[in-house]
Amino acid sequence: AQSVTQPDIHITVSEGASLELRCNYSYGATPYLFWYVQSPGQGLQLLLKYFSGDTLVQGIKGFEAEFKRSQSSFNLRKPSVHWSDAAEYFCAVEGGSYIPTFGRGTSLIVHP
Amino acid sequence: NAGVTQTPKFRVLKTGQSMTLLCAQDMNHEYMYWYRQDPGMGLRLIHYSVGEGTTAKGEVPDGYNVSRLKKQNFLLGLESAAPSQTSVYFCASIASGHTEAFFGQGTRLTVV
Repeated sequence: AQSVTQPDIHITVSEGASLELRCNYSYGATPYLFWYVQSPGQGLQLLLKYFSGDTLVQGIKGFEAEFKRSQSSFNLRKPSVHWSDAAEYFCAVEGGSYIPTFGRGTSLIVHP
Repeated sequence: NAGVTQTPKFRVLKTGQSMTLLCAQDMNHEYMYWYRQDPGMGLRLIHYSVGEGTTAKGEVPDGYNVSRLKKQNFLLGLESAAPSQTSVYFCASIASGHTEAFFGQGTRLTVV
């Protein structure tokens, strides 16, 4: 069975500071990995995805994530956070069954 | 460019009433899903469909039924609503090839 753990429920950063959101997955082989963002009252929007190849993937809005097989992690990073990045972030894993499993989400709060 | 459209966006039901949530996608996607989102719980899969005429149970199927008579539509039914079904419901679809999920805007359902 596949599962995802996002250990941080809330993260608070100052505008302009760097950001790292943690995601750990459980799956027997290399899965498909995703990060989504959800603004208040909206559906989820894809930030980036990893299928294979280069373990550092670039996404929209200046986000990137690194797949580390040895640590079963897929952490999301951004070098400089903007106030508009305040949102809920979800990591998701899909193991080839076409059934994505989502983490519980991390709420990002950005202080001016 | 409608993508995934959910109807209605808001609804208040009395305990015991029934209703149907409609999800429509115009991207010719094979796979469709219904999730519920509750605070601190992330997204939990209710039912899903791998193609027209097929449905399957997800993680939390009790109290819900679904149908996919047409490829573009995926209906979620509540036969006898309970307060525990108060939630935000999201529909999603995925094309073949393990691409990302596309989400609707959500339906906020309150059962009183």
